[in-house]
Order: sequence, then C-alpha cells, then structure tokens
Amino acid sequence: AQKITQTQPGMFVQEKEAVTLDCTYDTSDPSYGLFWYKQPSSGEMIFLIYQGSYDQQNATEGRYSLNFQKARKSANLVISASQLGDSAMYFCAMREPFNYQLIWGAGTKLIIKP
Amino acid sequence: DTGVSQDPRHKITKRGQNVTFRCDPISEHNRLYWYRQTLGQGPEFLTYFQNEAQLEKSRLLSDRFSAERPKGSFSTLEIQRTEQGDSAMYLCASSLAGPRRDPEMTQYFGPGTRLLVL
Repeated sequence: AQKITQTQPGMFVQEKEAVTLDCTYDTSDPSYGLFWYKQPSSGEMIFLIYQGSYDQQNATEGRYSLNFQKARKSANLVISASQLGDSAMYFCAMREPFNYQLIWGAGTKLIIKP
Repeated sequence: DTGVSQDPRHKITKRGQNVTFRCDPISEHNRLYWYRQTLGQGPEFLTYFQNEAQLEKSRLLSDRFSAERPKGSFSTLEIQRTEQGDSAMYLCASSLAGPRRDPEMTQYFGPGTRLLVL
C-alpha cells in the first residue's frame, strides 16, 4: 500500500543554517511522483518542488532541493540558508499514475530561530 | 494569473445546519480536487473532478457530503446536517490536464475554508 512517512514532528533550526526534512515512501509502482508542500499558519498549501521517479537528477528550485535516494525510498527536502519566513509545516506527498489523489505524510513543523 | 480561490475562508455553524463552500480553480485547469485536513494531520482526499464529471470519491465522503462542478469551472462542496466531527480545514486544489499515467500533474491549492461546528 502507498504510504508516506515523515518521522520528524518538529524541528528548530537557527536562521541561515541549512535544514533537511526527512520523507520516506512506500509504493510498488515503478512510476510515481513526489511533492513537497509548505503550509504556513495561514493555512494555504504552497507547492515547493517535484521529483519524478525516473528523473536522473535531484530536483532543485531556488533554495529548495530534493535529496532523492530511490533505493532507500527516501525524498528528503533540503532548505539552504534558512530564513524566518521558512517557519511553517512541511508536507511530503506522493502520487502514483492512474491515481488522482495525493497521499500525504503527517508533516514536520519547522521553526526558524533568529 | 490568479491562483485557486475559496470562499468563505472561515465558517462557524451549529450542529445540524447545512454549509456550502465554493472553490474557483486556476482558469486553464480542468481538474479539481477536494481534501479535508484536521489539526496536526496531512490532508485527506475527498473527491476529484475532471471538467464537470466527478470521477472519484473517497470513502470519507459520507452521504451527508456532496460536491458539484456544474459547468466544469467552479465547484461547491456541501455538508448537510453538520456534526462536530466535520470541523476541519477544507482544501481545494486544481491541476492541468495530462495523461492519466503521468504522476506529476502538480496540484495547486487554495487558501482553504476553516469550518467549526459548535
């Protein structure tokens, strides 16, 4: 069965440091997509980055990069040079082909300290 | 290009009342999704539309819940005879069309509607 696991309920990080948020997944389908979303306290779910299972290179979007280790079934989000505005909930999600819905992890609450 | 919008942003109602939420997707997106999110949890899928057709419904969507997308543009989610357990954030998302086998089809979310049932 499809499953997403985020093992870090919360993290405190000093401003300007890099932070890694963990995500492991389970699927039997060789084709799948992995997403990271940010949810500030306002509630809106903001798309950050996408990684396809067949992508040869790790995805990057500005300060966000995805450390994709297919054999270990992990897709960790790396935020470089963290900022106070990065404080939010972060969710990892997965979509399989022929399946419309996203499967979500429980999220990690990230707090950036000044 | 405007993003996904939802209305209202907040709703407080008494148990037993009916409520209706509206979602306006990104204009060129023909796929629309509803999710429910309770405090401290990730979202849970409720239902999905492609154009005006409702193609998938979760078991979470009880008989008291109904969703429509009559003209393939905006969508409404109605909850009848609300219960305290319905208190949650209701999120709407939309995506571009693409091959069903394509796992990408990034979903873009609206700000959500926070429902509190007293």
